[in-house]
Amino acid sequence: DTGVSQNPRHKITKRGQNVTFRCDPISEHNRLYWYRQTLGQGPEFLTYFQNEAQLEKSRLLSDRFSAERPKGSFSTLEIQRTEQGDSAMYLCASSLRGQPQHFGDGTRLSIL
Amino acid sequence: AQKITQTQPGMFVQEKEAVTLDCTYDTSDPSYGLFWYKQPSSGEMIFLIYQGSYDQQNATEGRYSLNFQKARKSANLVISASQLGDSAMYFCAMREGSESNFGNEKLTFGTGTRLTIIP
Repeated sequence: DTGVSQNPRHKITKRGQNVTFRCDPISEHNRLYWYRQTLGQGPEFLTYFQNEAQLEKSRLLSDRFSAERPKGSFSTLEIQRTEQGDSAMYLCASSLRGQPQHFGDGTRLSIL
Repeated sequence: AQKITQTQPGMFVQEKEAVTLDCTYDTSDPSYGLFWYKQPSSGEMIFLIYQGSYDQQNATEGRYSLNFQKARKSANLVISASQLGDSAMYFCAMREGSESNFGNEKLTFGTGTRLTIIP
């Protein structure tokens, strides 16, 4: 099964540390999305890539957050100087134009 | 105003019965898409069904159907003959705007309904 893959599944870190998550989309999908899901809520859009170009960022994405998709394949999401409020599930999705987004299993981030 | 409203935080349904999960949406864009996703306790979001704003017929996928009432701006999910494995969170989501070569097709999600199937 070549679905969307996210690593790690879980990340526990101390406040103030930097963390990086990776997303490997379905190989032929040129669109890639990051969402954040907090407890009891639906996912919220963070950012969108088409191939290697980051075309939109949500205002939820503060200066401490950065995302890349260097060769239009896998993507990374980095959070610098983590805060308690960053604790959430980070979901990656990929798609083709006009097709439903396929999601990975997510990375659950816990800040101590 | 909320773009996607799911008013049922939780539902309990007897196995083999049909269940309807409510979803209303708010948009001024004439072109949009509506999606339902299932999220089991393991966390992955599983795509279930899609309805485009210009689709004349209600979408169906196996045991899932979407009751699309455009004038009421509702897009309820109907699951027929529920099974124990249907127990999960269900999210309604909307894409505003038409499909485009470079447009962001980001989804806006509701807060979800937790469905529990009772044996």
